[in-house]
Amino acid sequence: DQQVKQNSPSLSVQEGRISILNCDYTNSMFDYFLWYKKYPAEGPTFLISISSIKDKNEDGRFTVFLNKSAKHLSLHIVPSQPGDSAVYFCAASGTGANNLFFGTGTRLTVIP
Amino acid sequence: EPEVTQTPSHQVTQMGQEVILRCVPISNHLYFYWYRQILGQKVEFLVSFYNNEISEKSEIFDDQFSVERPDGSNFTLKIRSTKLEDSAMYFCASSDRRNNEKLFFGSGTQLSVL
Repeated sequence: DQQVKQNSPSLSVQEGRISILNCDYTNSMFDYFLWYKKYPAEGPTFLISISSIKDKNEDGRFTVFLNKSAKHLSLHIVPSQPGDSAVYFCAASGTGANNLFFGTGTRLTVIP
Repeated sequence: EPEVTQTPSHQVTQMGQEVILRCVPISNHLYFYWYRQILGQKVEFLVSFYNNEISEKSEIFDDQFSVERPDGSNFTLKIRSTKLEDSAMYFCASSDRRNNEKLFFGSGTQLSVL
């Protein structure tokens, strides 16, 4: 059951550059998408979300892009900072659903 | 900032034993969840709870699992007879809104079944 996929297990980026994390989904019923960040020994922390009626949502250094036709979303972090180093999970949900489907995560390392 | 609290942070148990994982959700939240993450795998939904009853559960949440809100603050996950494959990090989460708009997760309980 791989309804949400993050094909890159890891990503390294230089400080100040852009980090792009990708996520693909298969279920066309998903209409709400979220990104969570997780540090070691902590639970996932909500970062940013987007509804399927939008194709972009921006919050400070973080922007999420949604391409419904490709069933693809991405998270852009610019400029990347060392404190952004964490595991990033993409998650998706359908209307009326009470559960999130998570991807396997991408470990981002921002190199000072 | 209010947070979801989980205890214990680590739990080691023998196969076949019962375990209870405890969570204190954020006080004004109404929707409660358990998720788990087996090492190296994705975070998986187990169950959601609202208005003192289960609102949704996954295939993982079989008869060995149960949830309870015994008082106004705690939310527990019980595994009646643990199996080796129950070893995972268990996350509790809560929300003040429906439809997962913004879940707050606890830091998890690492369950090891020997």
